[in-house]
Amino acid sequence: GAGVSQSPSNKVTEKGKDVELRCDPISGHTALYWYRQSLGQGLEFLIYFQGNSAPDKSGLPSDRFSAERTGGSVSTLTIQRTQQEDSAVYLCASSLEGVHNQPQHFGDGTRLSIL
Amino acid sequence: GQSLEQPSEVTAVEGAIVQINCTYQTSGFYGLSWYQQHDGGAPTFLSYNALDGLEETGRFSSFLSRSDSYGYLLLQELQMKDSASYFCAVHNAGNMLTFGGGTRLMVKP
Repeated sequence: GAGVSQSPSNKVTEKGKDVELRCDPISGHTALYWYRQSLGQGLEFLIYFQGNSAPDKSGLPSDRFSAERTGGSVSTLTIQRTQQEDSAVYLCASSLEGVHNQPQHFGDGTRLSIL
Repeated sequence: GQSLEQPSEVTAVEGAIVQINCTYQTSGFYGLSWYQQHDGGAPTFLSYNALDGLEETGRFSSFLSRSDSYGYLLLQELQMKDSASYFCAVHNAGNMLTFGGGTRLMVKP
């Protein structure tokens, strides 16, 4: 597709379950970013990929969070043993390269609700 | 640490001009961007400033003063469709963005 695609668009799960969120970046974009956004708040950086490597994992909130990217394309963000405070919209973005004058293009996000 | 401050809410009427300010404290500053987000939608890129001065793109302009750690987004000839949240974001190493809390703009007829 032409834009960043994320799936699922909505996910409701019980506390303690694991969830996997998927991001398909714009074709040819080497840089990929994960953010999360709580209701009415700004975006919080989670992790950044350049190609398949993640030079910056500093934003991951805890060791329950992990992410991978394979083939320089699709990325998955996994949250293990979900907690209610994990409820948020998880946004993925990609840019052509990880350089500063290039805009990040965002997907519509996955709205995660933990019961 | 890093922090960005912007007003939480601004109201203006159609056809008016509005300025949304952003002040920041950060290490490793590479530039300032602005993003627009409609309710329930994805953030979309508006502008990027790496150097001091004004960048103009149609009805929107963005300004940066690195010495003052300050920038603003200027929206002219406001339209109803401009009602949205506007986020300033500082560029860090690797083009990672640190976002402000957002300014909710309400445009009234």
